[in-house]
Amino acid sequence: SQQGEEDPQALSIQEGENATMNCSYKTSINNLQWYRQNSGRGLVHLILIRSNEREKHSGRLRVTLDTSKKSSSLLITASRAADTASYFCATAENNNDMRFGAGTRLTVKP
Amino acid sequence: DTAVSQTPKYLVTQMGNDKSIKCEQNLGHDTMYWYKQDSKKFLKIMFSYNNKELIINETVPNRFSPKSPDKAHLNLHINSLELGDSAVYFCASSQDPLAREQYFGPGTRLTVT
Repeated sequence: SQQGEEDPQALSIQEGENATMNCSYKTSINNLQWYRQNSGRGLVHLILIRSNEREKHSGRLRVTLDTSKKSSSLLITASRAADTASYFCATAENNNDMRFGAGTRLTVKP
Repeated sequence: DTAVSQTPKYLVTQMGNDKSIKCEQNLGHDTMYWYKQDSKKFLKIMFSYNNKELIINETVPNRFSPKSPDKAHLNLHINSLELGDSAVYFCASSQDPLAREQYFGPGTRLTVT
């Protein structure tokens, strides 16, 4: 069954704007990861946040985790056309299985 | 240098055929995975191997049989292909089975006609 569910399913913004994507999950997790998938390509790992962390930064990426609400958000600041891709959250449950959502399709218009 | 590679990239075949997809990783990782991504982009884990031993086997038809000749390779063999098997199959690897960062291959798009 699916664990992470991304919201929105699709997001279209102008270059330079910020993009925020959300992920909700159902069970206890060890960590949550965000991945990017360019069209027709494999997934690329972006960032991992552990269950005892609340916020993490990596370049233009900012991830937050709220375990009480079982949700995470991915913020991409100053977006670029090259950020156009699908973004997936993946949760690692206590049995260490990874579960992916259906992704948010981000389009950044130049 | 390619970290996780899969062959073939595209595979078109008829119902009832048997086909294999190969995966190799040169990262020295202990754990390898097969995922299926359907047309709605859901990514579902199928199998996971750690040091050539099966550790995850989701509810997958037994027509699908993974084989790991060594920890750098995890091949997926599919018997009696069905239309519903059409999807993109991704191989991935991680340093260990504790669900840390996974490295994905480019995917194999399987079309069953």
